[in-house]
Amino acid sequence: SQKIEQNSEALNIQEGKTATLTCNYTNYSPAYLQWYRQDPGRGPVFLLLIRENEKEKRKERLKVTFDTTLKQSLFHITASQPADSATYLCALERSWGKLQFGAGTQVVVTP
Amino acid sequence: DAGVIQSPRHEVTEMGQEVTLRCKPISGHDYLFWYRQTMMRGLELLIYFNNNVPIDDSGMPEDRFSAKMPNASFSTLKIQPSEPRDSAVYFCASRRGGDTQYFGPGTRLTVL
Repeated sequence: SQKIEQNSEALNIQEGKTATLTCNYTNYSPAYLQWYRQDPGRGPVFLLLIRENEKEKRKERLKVTFDTTLKQSLFHITASQPADSATYLCALERSWGKLQFGAGTQVVVTP
Repeated sequence: DAGVIQSPRHEVTEMGQEVTLRCKPISGHDYLFWYRQTMMRGLELLIYFNNNVPIDDSGMPEDRFSAKMPNASFSTLKIQPSEPRDSAVYFCASRRGGDTQYFGPGTRLTVL
């Protein structure tokens, strides 16, 4: 079966440091992978999309890498701020139009 | 644009009652998705529509769940009869073509 694994434990990090989140998958050959942010009581918000032929994508303080050989994506938040505290979800395309989401990793940035 | 609109935001009902959740997608979006989120199972896709036509309902848990999209600006997810295990947050999302998905604020459903 197709599986997506994200760190289940919350990531506690000090303001200014870099947070690194992992998304591992099995039995997939996704054309792309997406990262979303979810705040309590709200719906997920799209952050970044990276395609299978891209190694790295950046958006402001966010960076995503995608290694199709390792079947892994890394999500980095550089110079983290308390406002970055949220749950981050990775999602892979199962078939055209359908996304499967990981369980998410909670990030807590302390001042 | 106001984004994806869902109603109600919270619903508390008793077991056996019918529940109807509503969604208005972003104007111009041709895909609509219904998801359910729980602590145990995370975010699961229930069903999605393209141009108002149901494309894949393989995630619908059982016959008690049904979804309709009578026009491009409105969709409903109905549970009849509801059970306590249906308690979850239900999200609607919409998308234009192969673009990214935009989620609504969700409906928190509690079935007593």
